[in-house]
Amino acid sequence: NAGVTQTPKFRVLKTGQSMTLLCAQDMNHEYMYWYRQDPGMGLRLIHYSVGEGTTAKGEVPDGYNVSRLKKQNFLLGLESAAPSQTSVYFCASRSVTWTSGTETQYFGPGTRLLVL
Amino acid sequence: SQQGEEDPQALSIQEGENATMNCSYKTSINNLQWYRQNSGRGLVHLILIRSNEREKHSGRLRVTLDTSKKSSSLLITASRAADTASYFCATDAYGDTDKLIFGTGTRLQVFP
Repeated sequence: NAGVTQTPKFRVLKTGQSMTLLCAQDMNHEYMYWYRQDPGMGLRLIHYSVGEGTTAKGEVPDGYNVSRLKKQNFLLGLESAAPSQTSVYFCASRSVTWTSGTETQYFGPGTRLLVL
Repeated sequence: SQQGEEDPQALSIQEGENATMNCSYKTSINNLQWYRQNSGRGLVHLILIRSNEREKHSGRLRVTLDTSKKSSSLLITASRAADTASYFCATDAYGDTDKLIFGTGTRLQVFP
């Protein structure tokens, strides 16, 4: 089990360029999430998905788009990168056990993005 | 805006001492979770406590929850240098269980 993987690990972009971050999970989870983490702050939710073919906005969705064409993959796109999008991006998938009311989010290793 | 606020923002202790971190949140919740993040890594789930529970233990971890005060604490007993990390609380929002809202974290430094 690889768990949650993210590609690339690090990327430098120029303002206005576009890119796609890929998240993959092999745990058959329905829920997947994209967060960004800035220095001294916790994680802020960008977009999330509750199942294949679904997406929803989180707390800071502007400037980002997502797609969940396959259950195991969740893509995060930056249409026109801005310096304010310099951050570390984390993907997570969520397991839920409804009968016991327990849940866990499993995180990928992160993608460091620098926008110049 | 962030649901959880951790206190203190940073904590430095010696190995063998106990470390206590606190989390306050704003709205009613179904459960509260604690996560750990080593430098440069993703978060790792530590423990979940449901809103009808007051205390939970897992190894050297002890979590308490006071829903009347909207607060939780994480106690790490007999800390080790390997416990050095940032610790985050995360809550769902009662009636919106699809997502978590993370606090700003406590940076714990344990000196050998």
